[in-house]
Amino acid sequence: DTAVSQTPKYLVTQMGNDKSIKCEQNLGHDTMYWYKQDSKKFLKIMFSYNNKELIINETVPNRFSPKSPDKAHLNLHINSLELGDSAVYFCASSPYGTRLGTDTQYFGPGTRLTVL
Amino acid sequence: AQKVTQAQTEISVVEKEDVTLDCVYETRDTTYYLFWYKQPPSGELVFLIRRNSFDEQNEISGRYSWNFQKSTSSFNFTITASQVVDSAVYFCALTFGSSNTGKLIFGQGTTLQVKP
Repeated sequence: DTAVSQTPKYLVTQMGNDKSIKCEQNLGHDTMYWYKQDSKKFLKIMFSYNNKELIINETVPNRFSPKSPDKAHLNLHINSLELGDSAVYFCASSPYGTRLGTDTQYFGPGTRLTVL
Repeated sequence: AQKVTQAQTEISVVEKEDVTLDCVYETRDTTYYLFWYKQPPSGELVFLIRRNSFDEQNEISGRYSWNFQKSTSSFNFTITASQVVDSAVYFCALTFGSSNTGKLIFGQGTTLQVKP
């Protein structure tokens, strides 16, 4: 009965590789997000999707590409991984796309990505 | 500019002490929403409270209470009779109505350590 789930929880990879992180929510929410938490714990939004439509793309390198096959899933694909991509990536979802900016966002458990 | 400042980087208290975590925000919007999230050592982000800009009523939930003051642009969080399980990083966050994107702007976080 997990609300927002992410796989994998840990991801260790070499520089230059391509990897994906998957996110699924079973809350019936319309909007999903990706956030990055750096080593100093600072959280910053990367992307948001509302009903499979991209809403926010926050000056993220184009090596990062979100994909939303349906409104319950938002995956994050990262090409040519760099050392600086090491971070914790959080997926989140919120209920109503028509009231963006008002709804509570519920977060997944996070994926710790380590690039060697 | 929209900004959230949590000036206290780390706070250490002894169990049963009361502790207040400060949050100061900046926004030009008249409609905005403030949040507190908890990140325990296990790493997930747990939603605690949401408050909109038109509701300045303080809120109490068990040992937790929140004081929202528009005059000082603050949304402070108090834990009464702290417990070891309260040890976590606490984030204050802001969304604003005019953005219509749901983008959450986080403060830097305050690490609370409660010692037995």
